[in-house]
Amino acid sequence: QLQLLESGPGLVRPSESLSLTCSVSGASIISDDYFWGWVRQAPGKGLQWIGLINHSGTKYDDPSFRGRLTLSVDISNNQVSLSLSSVTAADTARYYCARHRRLVDFFDPWGQGTFVTVSS
Amino acid sequence: QSVLTQPPSVSAAPGQKVTISCSGSTSNIGSKDVSWYQQVPGTVPRLVIYENEKRPSGVPDRFSGSKSGTSATLGIAGLQAGDEANYYCLTWDNRRGGLVFGGGTTLTV
Repeated sequence: QLQLLESGPGLVRPSESLSLTCSVSGASIISDDYFWGWVRQAPGKGLQWIGLINHSGTKYDDPSFRGRLTLSVDISNNQVSLSLSSVTAADTARYYCARHRRLVDFFDPWGQGTFVTVSS
Repeated sequence: QSVLTQPPSVSAAPGQKVTISCSGSTSNIGSKDVSWYQQVPGTVPRLVIYENEKRPSGVPDRFSGSKSGTSATLGIAGLQAGDEANYYCLTWDNRRGGLVFGGGTTLTV
């Protein structure tokens, strides 16, 4: 059974970088059919797509994060990672990792998410 | 302001049917598949419809999806208290070169 588990620091200082890892178990991240995506949800707000990456490093990201976002893949550890620089309080959110089915564009399954607070 | 427009809230009585709309444009819904997610507050989003109208295993057939032109619709029949949740549509937007979520709709039963 495919499972995704996000991990990272729960607290990040303003202007610093937020780094999260999504560990995938139950399947290899090497697949021509799937990408691995990040979605976030600020408290009381809706879902916001952040970006996608596949095993070969092909990436897509939301324009609102360009310049601050780095997505990477670690095939040997079956992980994908997200780094967001120059964070502000507006980046406080629960961050989810999810598998994305390419071409038909849906996310399933999702990880439990990890909550990140940006505060001094 | 999302490029996909959903009503902020809908409500219906138990046992009735409700529909939730997701309105977009030719650069997204008009040319790409739509998926729908159910999120009970405090829980992980759950896929309930993919490829416009398909139901994942385990999703009851009370849930249905359709698409026409630049709009998609999620239908939930035989409403139950457990259907109370926020519902989000998702699709690819060719103009933005990425995925977009609708703003979400709160369903009250």
